[in-house]
Amino acid sequence: DIQMTQSPSALSASVGDRVTITCRASQRISSWLAWYQQKAGKAPKLLIFKASSLESGVPSRFSGSGSGTEFTLTISSLQPDDFATYHCQQYNSYPYTFGQGTKLDIK
Amino acid sequence: EVQLVETGGGLIQPGGSRRLSCAASGITVSDNYMSWVRQAPGKGLEWVSLIYSSGSTYYSDSVKGRFTISRDNSKNTLYLQMNSLRAEDTAVYYCATARRGFDCWGQGTLVTVSS
Repeated sequence: DIQMTQSPSALSASVGDRVTITCRASQRISSWLAWYQQKAGKAPKLLIFKASSLESGVPSRFSGSGSGTEFTLTISSLQPDDFATYHCQQYNSYPYTFGQGTKLDIK
Repeated sequence: EVQLVETGGGLIQPGGSRRLSCAASGITVSDNYMSWVRQAPGKGLEWVSLIYSSGSTYYSDSVKGRFTISRDNSKNTLYLQMNSLRAEDTAVYYCATARRGFDCWGQGTLVTVSS
């Protein structure tokens, strides 16, 4: 199975900050990586697919990059609505696997 | 607009069975890749199963042989039949479309396995 490792596991930041979350795959997954945002008690929401493609309706302050084994999610200027948990997920091969999540809270 | 609505969760005794349903609107289930993803209380997301438009199915090792994914085209509904349930299957179960990652999610249904 492909292991997905996110870092950091938790992050405190302020409105307006630039934030980067990293996701590393234990094997090469080309660009078959997605990023999700999840708020407490809610379903995840797709932000980025195929490593760098922005899902329709998602603000442009969110961006994704990387290929192979190392990927990043960047929020260019944090907004109050962005404080949530972020998950990466590979869909290169079965079983699909998720990272453990990064909880982003207000400093 | 795509809408997915899961039902069927509840309290089930260990060793028991339950069928979850995911009613879809705005998409045709049989034309799309559809998946189940679960999240144990306070934990991360775990992929459970996926069905192709062709009907091919895939499962995580943790549920293989116990869970079955299927669909009813006439009802435009996705199912997850869960047998031999264990305490570690306790989770919120989400259905999702799998067109580009998991692009559309239902609200989830809670399954609690406990005596």
